[in-house]
Amino acid sequence: NAGVTQTPKFRILKIGQSMTLQCTQDMNHNYMYWYRQDPGMGLKLIYYSVGAGITDKGEVPNGYNVSRSTTEDFPLRLELAAPSQTSVYFCASSARQGAGSPLHFGNGTRLTVT
Amino acid sequence: GQQVMQIPQYQHVQEGEDFTTYCNSSTTLSNIQWYKQRPGGHPVFLIQLVKSGEVKKQKRLTFQFGEAKKNSSLHITATQTTDVGTYFCAGGIGGNKLVFGAGTILRVKS
Repeated sequence: NAGVTQTPKFRILKIGQSMTLQCTQDMNHNYMYWYRQDPGMGLKLIYYSVGAGITDKGEVPNGYNVSRSTTEDFPLRLELAAPSQTSVYFCASSARQGAGSPLHFGNGTRLTVT
Repeated sequence: GQQVMQIPQYQHVQEGEDFTTYCNSSTTLSNIQWYKQRPGGHPVFLIQLVKSGEVKKQKRLTFQFGEAKKNSSLHITATQTTDVGTYFCAGGIGGNKLVFGAGTILRVKS
């Protein structure tokens, strides 16, 4: 099993550019999440999904969009990249929602916006 | 908003010394999870505690959940260089929401 797979691993964007961070999981998990990790700040939830066709905002959703057309895939879209979006992005999945179920993380995407 | 505070932010120990990180919440937690992130890696689930006063062990790691379910600790006995990384707690709030602490960075001198 590959688990949770994220692409790309690294990306440099110019201000105002857009991009999509890809995430796919092969564990048949209904619940998927996007987090960003900034130094010394822990993990902040951007968006999450409880199943195909259903998404909801987390703590820090501004500047991002998501979609969930299939159980496996949960892409994260940045429309107008800003320096404040420089961060490491982690996608995760779980068998059950939120608390009570371990999160399985992908390897992360390191994004720099200049 | 609801927060889970984790201390210390950073600890540098000599190999063989013990290490403890603490997690505190102002809100009663439904459960607590612990994750380890190696440098340059991704968080990996270690353990989950659910019951008040629960204690679990994994080899040299001991995890505790407070009686009031508002605090937790992770203790590593006789640290090794393989223990290097960032340790995160994540508290369950309201059954559905998982809030991460800021993490404790552990460095081990050999």
